[in-house]
Amino acid sequence: EVQLVESGGGLVQPGGSLRLSCAASGFTLSNYTMHWVRQAPGKGLEWLSYISGTSNTIFYSDSVTGRFTISRDNAKNSLYLQMNSLRAEDTAVYYCARDGVVVVPGQFDYWGQGTLVTVSS
Amino acid sequence: DIQMTQSPSSLSASVGDRVTITCQASQDISNYLNWYQQKPGKAPNLLIYDASDLEAGVPSRFSGRGSGRDFTFTISSLQPEDIATYYCQQYDDLPLTFGGGTKVEIK
Repeated sequence: EVQLVESGGGLVQPGGSLRLSCAASGFTLSNYTMHWVRQAPGKGLEWLSYISGTSNTIFYSDSVTGRFTISRDNAKNSLYLQMNSLRAEDTAVYYCARDGVVVVPGQFDYWGQGTLVTVSS
Repeated sequence: DIQMTQSPSSLSASVGDRVTITCQASQDISNYLNWYQQKPGKAPNLLIYDASDLEAGVPSRFSGRGSGRDFTFTISSLQPEDIATYYCQQYDDLPLTFGGGTKVEIK
């Protein structure tokens, strides 16, 4: 059974940092592109970043470029999101998601349960 | 960025009703469109991919169609367990973008 479990969320002050983790099981992580998607309270979904299976290809949305860094450790079956210079508007539930498409990334076939990040003083 | 305009933002229908949601892209995205269902407090769940293909295990009352800029998502016979917010999402170009969501309620 495919499972994705996020951790690392919590309360952080503006300007602070946080590292999210996503533990994957039930599939071979290295075979899949992985994404981070977030959802602010009561709002819609926002794609943030993706990383290819071998980490050769990485993309970010403009809203997090230069502040967030996606990475993965396939040997540890884990995906990460390092978040720096956090702002109040980064407050959201952060989801990791697996990409189900080989050629054109962008189809989220499995999602974690999410981890809440709150940026507040 | 490709803007995805979903309508309506909310709807109320009776059990057994046919429900249709529309999604319009700001430019041609071919069939690079997915539909997700998100129940309260839960992660989204992929229902339809490539505009019209039903994800494995998804009930056949859910369907999608369209290409280019205009897409529709239909629930042929609304069930109580379909109460959720539905999102369209394009993957023709980066950044990947979602529609604003349609909240479906039972009348």
